[in-house]
Amino acid sequence: SQTIHQWPATLVQPVGSPLSLECTVEGTSNPNLYWYRQAAGRGLQLLFYSVGIGQISSEVPQNLSASRPQDRQFILSSKKLLLSDSGFYLCAWSPYMDEQFFGPGTRLTVL
Amino acid sequence: SQQGEEDPQALSIQEGENATMNCSYKTSINNLQWYRQNSGRGLVHLILIRSNEREKHSGRLRVTLDTSKKSSSLLITASRAADTASYFCAASGSARQLTFGSGTQLTVLP
Repeated sequence: SQTIHQWPATLVQPVGSPLSLECTVEGTSNPNLYWYRQAAGRGLQLLFYSVGIGQISSEVPQNLSASRPQDRQFILSSKKLLLSDSGFYLCAWSPYMDEQFFGPGTRLTVL
Repeated sequence: SQQGEEDPQALSIQEGENATMNCSYKTSINNLQWYRQNSGRGLVHLILIRSNEREKHSGRLRVTLDTSKKSSSLLITASRAADTASYFCAASGSARQLTFGSGTQLTVLP
């Protein structure tokens, strides 16, 4: 069966520090991968999606970037965090671009 | 954007009652999906209804879709305290990306 992992679960970082969040999927190949951000009490905002290694599409201009160095690995990064980057970050995968399967999320607090 | 928006934002009911949540979207879709999120957790896919379907059932869940009104509803029958969570609709369009609404917070009181 397929599983999706995210780490770390929680992270507290100072403004201006770098960020690296990792997402890996097991039990499937060539998944579509997604990064979302969720503000408190709100819906999900799509940040990036990837249909294959090295293929990244960005949905909104921002302080973040994403990379897919391996088929089942998706990384969310920032060189310098802003206060507004705080939020709940969710990774998801999808086999056919229909239903998506979400990881447990990373709670990021930027101080 | 084809954003989904849920109504109501919050709903509180007694155990055993039915809960109905509504969703509206803006443009044409391939399918509409409903997800559940427990506090501080990832989302769990509940049900998907395609644009050529009008109603779909899964256990205690019933979803309807009215493409002429660009709206959908999720009915949870015989609710339980464990159904307490946030529920999101997500519209999937031609680009096969999901656009999520802001969710309905459901509280089921024992």
